[in-house]
Amino acid sequence: SQELEQSPQSLIVQEGKNLTINCTSSKTLYGLYWYKQKYGEGLIFLMMLQKGGEEKSHEKITAKLDEKKQQSSLHITASQPSHAGIYLCGAGGLISYNTDKLIFGTGTRLQVFP
Amino acid sequence: DAGITQSPRYKITETGRQVTLMCHQTWSHSYMFWYRQDLGHGLRLIYYSAAADITDKGEVPDGYVVSRSKTENFPLTLESATRSQTSVYFCASREGLAGGYEQYFGPGTRLTVT
Repeated sequence: SQELEQSPQSLIVQEGKNLTINCTSSKTLYGLYWYKQKYGEGLIFLMMLQKGGEEKSHEKITAKLDEKKQQSSLHITASQPSHAGIYLCGAGGLISYNTDKLIFGTGTRLQVFP
Repeated sequence: DAGITQSPRYKITETGRQVTLMCHQTWSHSYMFWYRQDLGHGLRLIYYSAAADITDKGEVPDGYVVSRSKTENFPLTLESATRSQTSVYFCASREGLAGGYEQYFGPGTRLTVT
């Protein structure tokens, strides 16, 4: 069964609106990555969260890690068409801190219309 | 050029044929990974390698073979391609094991098995 669940699976927003994507793990999270994928292209690293309560921002994208809830959220403020793509969360250390397997969620497809 | 590259970018092959997807990274990262990406399944780990001559199975290894004679290369071979192996394949590399290391992805290879 999938160990990382993302919600929503798909999101369509109007330009300028805020949005949040969630990533929930069925097991303890020791670290979480967020990637963005443009349609038909590779994955671009956005940010990495390592500690519970950690929050990072890059331009208009903010990610938080809630260790207790075993969840991370990605928030985009004032969305733009350039934000469109597939957002993937990935977690390493689902079993222990030192693990070489990075597991991914199924992704959230974001569309931003003018 | 530094980075991680994959070849070919697009491949069409027939059922039963052997096909090899190439992955090359210039950072001398110890860890390399192969993923496949399919609708509804997200990214799934096929095989990974912790160092030259050390490989291990991921979530979906059946029908695939890997080798790693040199640190910088990690080819993935489909010994007898099946239609279910039609997918987009991503190679990735990472310097270290722990959750603090960023994982870099190649641009992907789109494989179609007819």
